[in-house]
Amino acid sequence: QKEVEQNSGPLSVPEGAIASLNCTYSDRGSQSFFWYRQYSGKSPELIMSIYSNGDKEDGRFTAQLNKASQYVSLLIRDSQPSDSATYLCAVNVGFQKLVFGTGTRLLVSP
Amino acid sequence: DTAVSQTPKYLVTQMGNDKSIKCEQNLGHDTMYWYKQDSKKFLKIMFSYNNKELIINETVPNRFSPKSPDKAHLNLHINSLELGDSAVYFCASSQVLDSLYEQYFGPGTRLTVT
Repeated sequence: QKEVEQNSGPLSVPEGAIASLNCTYSDRGSQSFFWYRQYSGKSPELIMSIYSNGDKEDGRFTAQLNKASQYVSLLIRDSQPSDSATYLCAVNVGFQKLVFGTGTRLLVSP
Repeated sequence: DTAVSQTPKYLVTQMGNDKSIKCEQNLGHDTMYWYKQDSKKFLKIMFSYNNKELIINETVPNRFSPKSPDKAHLNLHINSLELGDSAVYFCASSQVLDSLYEQYFGPGTRLTVT
C-alpha cells in the first residue's frame, strides 16, 4: 500500500509566524509531489509542486523535498488568518495517480 | 472563465436510485479524474481517463461507471445508490504530455443518499 502520512493537527500559529507542514511517503519511486490547500466546503487548490530535491519558493510558500528521507514539507512565511485551511500533501505514484495524505489543519490566529 | 466545472453542485437522493454527475474542463487538458472525499475528508482517486481511454480504475463498486465522450468531458453514473456513497465527488484534470501531472480540481458535487 503506497501511503502518504501527515499530522492531522490542528497546527496553530500566530499571525506573522512561519507555519511548517510536513509529509512523509512510502513509495521510494515517486517523482512528483504536490501541496494543495482546501478551505472548508471548497475544492483542493494546487499551491505548490516540486520534483527535485531541495527547496522551491513561490511568494510566501516554500516547498522542500528530500527523496532520500522520503519527506516533503511546506513552509508558509508571514502566516495570515486567510491561510487557515487544510493542507493536503499529494504524491504521484505513477500513471498520473495521486495518493493524498489525510491533510493537516492549519489555524492562524490574529 | 471556469476551468473545471461540475454539475450538479448538490445532489440529494434516496437509496436505490440512479444518478449522474457531469464534469467539463476548458483547460485543453488530456486527462481527467474522479475523486471521492469521504466524511473524514480523505481524498481518494476512483477513475482516470486519458484522451477518452480509461487508465486508472481503482477498487470501486461496479455500480460506478465513468464515461468520457471526449477529452473535455467526464461523467460519472452511479447505479443503485447506497448510504455509503454519500460523499463529495471531485472531478480533476491535468495535461500529461508536459509531464508535470499537476491536477486541477472542480468545485465538487456533494452527494447525500437518504
